[in-house]
Amino acid sequence: EVQLVESGGGLVQPGGSLRLSCAASGFTVSSNYMSWVRQAPGKGLEWVSVIYSGGSTYYADSVKGRFTISRDNSKNTLYLQMNSLRAEDTAVYYCARARPYFDLWGRGTLVTVSS
Amino acid sequence: DIQMTQSPSSLSASVGDRVTITCQASQDISNYLSWYQQKPGKTPKLLIYDASNLETGVPSRFSGSGSGTDFTFTISSLQPEDIATYYCQQYDNLPYTFGPGTKLEIK
Repeated sequence: EVQLVESGGGLVQPGGSLRLSCAASGFTVSSNYMSWVRQAPGKGLEWVSVIYSGGSTYYADSVKGRFTISRDNSKNTLYLQMNSLRAEDTAVYYCARARPYFDLWGRGTLVTVSS
Repeated sequence: DIQMTQSPSSLSASVGDRVTITCQASQDISNYLSWYQQKPGKTPKLLIYDASNLETGVPSRFSGSGSGTDFTFTISSLQPEDIATYYCQQYDNLPYTFGPGTKLEIK
């Protein structure tokens, strides 16, 4: 079955760090563009980052310099390392396969930044 | 960055109605536009890509049209299971940007 499963969310204090994982099955992460999209509580969708099949990475201005997208080809897994977290980073984080439209989404993992 | 606007922001319609949502881009995005459905508490689902192509498995009552800066999403005959928020998204340029969403309710 083709699917994405995120993990790693939780409660973290402002200024803290968290690493999200997204395990893929049924297709190869490294052969596709892969993105992270987030949704703050009660708000709309916001694109966060993309990694191209060739390895190039891009970020939204709101997370540039704080977040890092990466992948482990041997584990067929996508990651998002989040540092210097702020209250405004509180959201459900989805990983998605980018065609570049997002045709496959995970169920999301909730990140809460609060003291 | 390309700004995406949607109208209306919310909509109430009856079962069987034809429903239309519009999406406007702040600059020409050709046909690099997709539409998503997000039901309450659920993951977004791709409905339309490249402005007018129906994703596999999506009912034919959903359709999209437009190019350049102006786009339309239509449900030809509203069904109770269509209650959701609908988002447009451009992928012509990074950063990818979404519209603010249209919340659809049954009258």
